[in-house]
Amino acid sequence: TQLLEQSPQFLSIQEGENLTVYCNSSSVFSSLQWYRQEPGEGPVLLVTVVTGGEVKKLKRLTFQFGDARKDSSLHITAAQPGDTGLYLCAGPGPSEKLVFGKGTKLTVNP
Amino acid sequence: DAGITQSPRHKVTETGTPVTLRCHQTENHRYMYWYRQDPGHGLRLIHYSYGVKDTDKGEVSDGYSVSRSKTEDFLLTLESATSSQTSVYFCAISGWLGEDEQFFGPGTRLTVL
Repeated sequence: TQLLEQSPQFLSIQEGENLTVYCNSSSVFSSLQWYRQEPGEGPVLLVTVVTGGEVKKLKRLTFQFGDARKDSSLHITAAQPGDTGLYLCAGPGPSEKLVFGKGTKLTVNP
Repeated sequence: DAGITQSPRHKVTETGTPVTLRCHQTENHRYMYWYRQDPGHGLRLIHYSYGVKDTDKGEVSDGYSVSRSKTEDFLLTLESATSSQTSVYFCAISGWLGEDEQFFGPGTRLTVL
C-alpha cells in the first residue's frame, strides 16, 4: 500500500512568517498533487508536480518534488490569514486511484 | 468552478435507517468518486465509478453501496446507517484516473445518532 505521510499535522503561525510542510512516502510516485481545503468546503487543487526535482511557484507558494519522487514540500513565504486551511498531498496509488495524506492544518493568525 | 453539487448538505439520522446521498455534475466527466473525511484519517475512498453502471470498491466500502444510472448522477447509499458512518462525505469528479485533477463537491455532513 502506498502511503503519504504529512508533517506537521498542525501548524499555527503569525502573519508574515514563512513555513514549510512536508509530504513523504517510502514509495515512488509518478506525480504528486497538492490541494487546499478551507473550512466547510471541498479540497481545491493547487498544483501537480510530475518530474523529480521539479519546482513550481504559485505566487507566495513554492512546491518541490523530490529527486527520487518519494517526497514533496510546500513552502509559503510571508503567510497571510487567507492561507489558513488544510493542505493535502495526493498521488496515484494502486489502480491509479488517488491516495491522500492526512493533511497539515495551517492557521495563520493576524 | 466545476459544476458539482451534493445533496443534502446536512443530515441527521438514526441508527438502522437507510440514507442516500446524491452527487450531481454538469461537467460530463467520466470518473466520479465518493470519499469520507474523518479526523485523524484524512480522505478515504469509498467507491468510484468509471462510467454509467460501472462502479468499483475503494478502501472503505463496507456498509456502502453506489449506483450510477446517468453520467451526471452518482448516488451513495448507506443501507442501514451506523454511528461509525458519522462523517463528512465528499463527491469528486475527474476526466481520467491517475494524475488528473479531481474536482470536489461542497460535502455532506452526516450524523448518525
